[in-house]
Order: sequence, then C-alpha cells, then structure tokens
Amino acid sequence: DAGVIQSPRHEVTEMGQEVTLRCKPISGHDYLFWYRQTMMRGLELLIYFNNNVPIDDSGMPEDRFSAKMPNASFSTLKIQPSEPRDSAVYFCASSRRGQGAYEQYFGPGTRLTVT
Amino acid sequence: SQKIEQNSEALNIQEGKTATLTCNYTNYSPAYLQWYRQDPGRGPVFLLLIRENEKEKRKERLKVTFDTTLKQSLFHITASQPADSATYLCALDGTGRRALTFGSGTRLQVQP
Repeated sequence: DAGVIQSPRHEVTEMGQEVTLRCKPISGHDYLFWYRQTMMRGLELLIYFNNNVPIDDSGMPEDRFSAKMPNASFSTLKIQPSEPRDSAVYFCASSRRGQGAYEQYFGPGTRLTVT
Repeated sequence: SQKIEQNSEALNIQEGKTATLTCNYTNYSPAYLQWYRQDPGRGPVFLLLIRENEKEKRKERLKVTFDTTLKQSLFHITASQPADSATYLCALDGTGRRALTFGSGTRLQVQP
C-alpha cells in the first residue's frame, strides 16, 4: 500500500489567499484525522471523520477552517482567508475500524507558509 | 485541565545503552496510550499501544510500561543505536476514544 498521501508537500501563499490541502487515506481505513503541528503548540487534532462523516471538529481553530470528506478516498482541509499564524505543518492520518485498531498512520505532511 | 508532559529537554545517550523516556498525564482516564516516532520532516510513525489493563508491552528492543495509578508511561529502547535518534511522542485517547492528544515529544540523540 502507498500509505497516506498528502498534497501539496509545500505551500507558500500570501495572507488572505485561500489554501486547500488534500489527503488520500489508506484504502480500507474508515477513520481520517487532520492535525496541525507547530513548535509552540505541538501536534494538535483539528477534526476527524468516521465513514466520511465529521465526528469531532472541536479542534478547528476558527470558521476560516473547513474540512470535507466527499468519499472514502479523499479529504480536503481548506483555510479561507489564510493568515500568517496558520503557518504550520498539516498532517493527515487514517486508521482502520474495529475494536483495538487504534493506531494511526500518518502522511508526510504539508508545510504551509503564509506570508 | 488535561495535560500530557514529556521531557522537553533532549536525551543524549551512548550507543548500546538503554534509553528511557517518560510520559506523565493529568486529568485523563485513558483506555490506552500510544507511542510514536517522528523523524525530521516526516509524519509520526506508530510504535506501540498499551491498554489501561496492561502493565507492560514489548516489541523487539522496545518496552512500554503503563501505570494508571501514577498516571505515567515509560518507554524504553534497549541496546540503543544511532538510528534510534528521533523525537518520540506519547498520545492518549480522548473522550471520543479514537481522538488522540499528543505530548510535545522528547528528542533522543544516540551517540556512536
């Protein structure tokens, strides 16, 4: 399996622009997670989905952030409008369903820089 | 408030020694605890999961202990190698069971 795929790997944009990050989870995984990692705040859960349905979005920082999962093999995280404080590495992760299958498999991340 | 604490200072050890990393938590009642490894520029990689009713778990040179009374987990790497140098993160399940909260990580440096 190719693992979790994220694109783009790097994104540089100007403040106020819209940013869309993409994720393809591992085939057969029912859970998808979006995280943000910064030096100051570490790795934070933003939102997660089960069977394409958002379960918990309490970590989404503001209304500027939105996430969708239109099907089992694709998810997007959108920031509109972007701000310099959104600069971070954004990770997508997936995990299987089933009792005890709690480990998460992370993608390589998207490094976002907002100038 | 809920808190997960890992030693923010880097741990430097000599090759062949045992590395021990600590994860302390407060105001959590986790059903399980996980350890991940993260290399620079990469996503975290799952290493081990230990459940609340397990005291110890082993995988090759790795050993994890979980003391729910002390609210602490210890992560050991025996016969450490320079290739073990990385940041190690502990993570606890949240109220949603699937949701994880991560500690800030401890950087391990194994000197040859």
